[in-house]
Amino acid sequence: QSALTQPASVSGSPGQSITISCTGTSSDVGGSNQVSWYQHHPGKAPRAMIYDVTKRPSGVSNRFSGSKSGNTASLTISGLQADDEADYYCLSLTTTTTWVFGGGTKLTVL
Amino acid sequence: EVQLVESGGGLVQPGGSLRISCAASEFIFRNYWMHWVRQAPGKGLEWVSFIKNDGTFTTFADSVKGRFTISRDNAKNTMYLQMNSLRADDTAVYYCATGGDNYYDSWGQGTLVTVSS
Repeated sequence: QSALTQPASVSGSPGQSITISCTGTSSDVGGSNQVSWYQHHPGKAPRAMIYDVTKRPSGVSNRFSGSKSGNTASLTISGLQADDEADYYCLSLTTTTTWVFGGGTKLTVL
Repeated sequence: EVQLVESGGGLVQPGGSLRISCAASEFIFRNYWMHWVRQAPGKGLEWVSFIKNDGTFTTFADSVKGRFTISRDNAKNTMYLQMNSLRADDTAVYYCATGGDNYYDSWGQGTLVTVSS
């Protein structure tokens, strides 16, 4: 159960789009349709932005979208806004019914 | 609104034991799978353990397997994490989390466990 690989940081200007990748193996991301993404502002509870690879929970802006190709899942945020600045984590179910988070990506809105 | 309240954290010496709890309210606890997630100081989120709604199936992260036990009492709407043989790298804020679909839509506020001599 190694942590999924995410870039440590990404940045973008307001209005731009960014993509955060999440790379695992065939035992987790590649073998699961239960990949979710969480936005985490320090001191607050994490908030799910994407689940089941591509679905958005109720109330999440359609600026957030998810995809997957092979062993890599991706979160794309379009039309960046200042309050998108946060840490983002992917989470995947594995083939042994455990779960594994990515290492986290710090998004900076310039 | 779903409420999850963790308790029982504190300072424990290396090699020691601690049991933390997660009290649930405002939802039908016995219908929901539950998880423990932790975050060490300055680090990212780490999934720790899972328990099925009826308590018959549990899984653990390799980092805690054989040392931690997860359980629940559906009559008391409470989940537990028994932590034995604690190490310095178990120091973290421990959160309980749950959700109806395949994601966590409810989290507790966390309880801090510090393993230090």
